[in-house]
Amino acid sequence: DAGVIQSPRHEVTEMGQEVTLRCKPISGHNSLFWYRQTMMRGLELLIYFNNNVPIDDSGMPEDRFSAKMPNASFSTLKIQPSEPRDSAVYFCASSRRTQRGEQYFGPGTRLTVT
Amino acid sequence: AQSVSQHNHHVILSEAASLELGCNYSYGGTVNLFWYVQYPGQHLQLLLKYFSGDPLVKGIKGFEAEFIKSKFSFNLRKPSVQWSDTAEYFCAVNARGYSTLTFGKGTMLLVSP
Repeated sequence: DAGVIQSPRHEVTEMGQEVTLRCKPISGHNSLFWYRQTMMRGLELLIYFNNNVPIDDSGMPEDRFSAKMPNASFSTLKIQPSEPRDSAVYFCASSRRTQRGEQYFGPGTRLTVT
Repeated sequence: AQSVSQHNHHVILSEAASLELGCNYSYGGTVNLFWYVQYPGQHLQLLLKYFSGDPLVKGIKGFEAEFIKSKFSFNLRKPSVQWSDTAEYFCAVNARGYSTLTFGKGTMLLVSP
C-alpha cells in the first residue's frame, strides 16, 4: 500500500502567484480531507470530500482557496493569488467512511510564499 | 460542535521517565478517540484509537491511553520514554456518524538522552 501521496513536497513561490497542491488518496478510500498546519493555529480542516463530492468547505479561509476532486484517485487544492500568510504545511488525508474517523495522512506540502 | 483540549503545549522529560499527556473533549454524544504522533519533519501517524469496549487501549511503541467517560478524558501514557519518542502528539475526536476529526492543538514532547 503506497499510502497517501502528495506533491510537491516543498513549494516556494512569490506573492500573487497561483499554487496548486496535489493529493492521491489510498485506493479504496472514499473520504478525502485537506488540512493546514501552522504554529499559531495548529491543525485546521479546510475541506473534505465524500465520494468525490465536497461536503464541508467551511474551513476554507477565503475565496482565494479552492479544491476539487475530479475522480476517486486525485484531488487538488489551489490558492490564487497566494499571500505570505498562506505559508504553512498542507496535509491531505483519506479514510474509508466505515473506518469510524480513522484517517491516514500524506507527507504534506510545505508552502512558503515570499 | 466538538472540541478537544490538550493540557500541555510543551513537555520535557529525561529518558526512562514516565509520560502522561492530558486530553479532554467536549461533546454530548458518542465518540471515537485517537492519538496521532508527528515525528520531526514527518506526517501524522496513528498511535492508537478507541472505538468501544475496554477503555484501556494499547498502541504502538508501548503507548497506551485510557478513556474515562465521566471525565471526558483520553489521556496518553507511557511508563518509560525514549529519546526517539521526541515528537508532537495530537489528541483527536470523531463524533459517531460523522467523517471528520477534531484535533487538539498538540503537545510537543522533548525527551533528553
